[in-house]
Amino acid sequence: AQSVAQPEDQVNVAEGNPLTVKCTYSVSGNPYLFWYVQYPNRGLQFLLKYITGDNLVKGSYGFEAEFNKSQTSFHLKKPSALVSDSALYFCAVRDGGSQGNLIFGKGTKLSVKP
Amino acid sequence: NAGVTQTPKFRVLKTGQSMTLLCAQDMNHEYMYWYRQDPGMGLRLIHYSVGEGTTAKGEVPDGYNVSRLKKQNFLLGLESAAPSQTSVYFCASRRATGLGDSTDTQYFGPGTRLTVL
Repeated sequence: AQSVAQPEDQVNVAEGNPLTVKCTYSVSGNPYLFWYVQYPNRGLQFLLKYITGDNLVKGSYGFEAEFNKSQTSFHLKKPSALVSDSALYFCAVRDGGSQGNLIFGKGTKLSVKP
Repeated sequence: NAGVTQTPKFRVLKTGQSMTLLCAQDMNHEYMYWYRQDPGMGLRLIHYSVGEGTTAKGEVPDGYNVSRLKKQNFLLGLESAAPSQTSVYFCASRRATGLGDSTDTQYFGPGTRLTVL
């Protein structure tokens, strides 16, 4: 069965420093991986996805993610964090069924301090 | 273009009461989803629909029913609410595209916060 794991419940970063939010996956077949962000009291917003091709995927708000097949990881990164990046981040993977439903990780709370 | 909207935003129920959550999308999407979000558990799929008149069970369907009578609407019903159904409920929709299509993403509504006493 497909699954994703986000090993950190919370990540704390100082503004201006690089940030990484970790995600590992377990799939049978090709992985289709996504990152979503949830700001307080809002719905989820799509950030980026990996389907195939370049291992470095660029997304919204300056975020990017690196797909690493050997380490089965899809970590979210940003070179310089902003206080406004503070939010809950979810990694997700397409399930193996024909409907293409998503399976979400438990989420990682990112806190960026000034 | 409002995207995905949910009604109501907040609701408090007593155990045993019933209610219906409404999700509407104006993007002509074929697929629609209902998730629940609980602390430390991420989002879990309750039910989904691949088109008007069709529904299917997700990961946690027990205690919920759904209907998709119109393409733009997806209703989630609780027939007899229980405290375990206290949660934030999110609706989402997406186009029925191939996996490689760049528009193949789910769009989420703002959520409904439900408390069952």
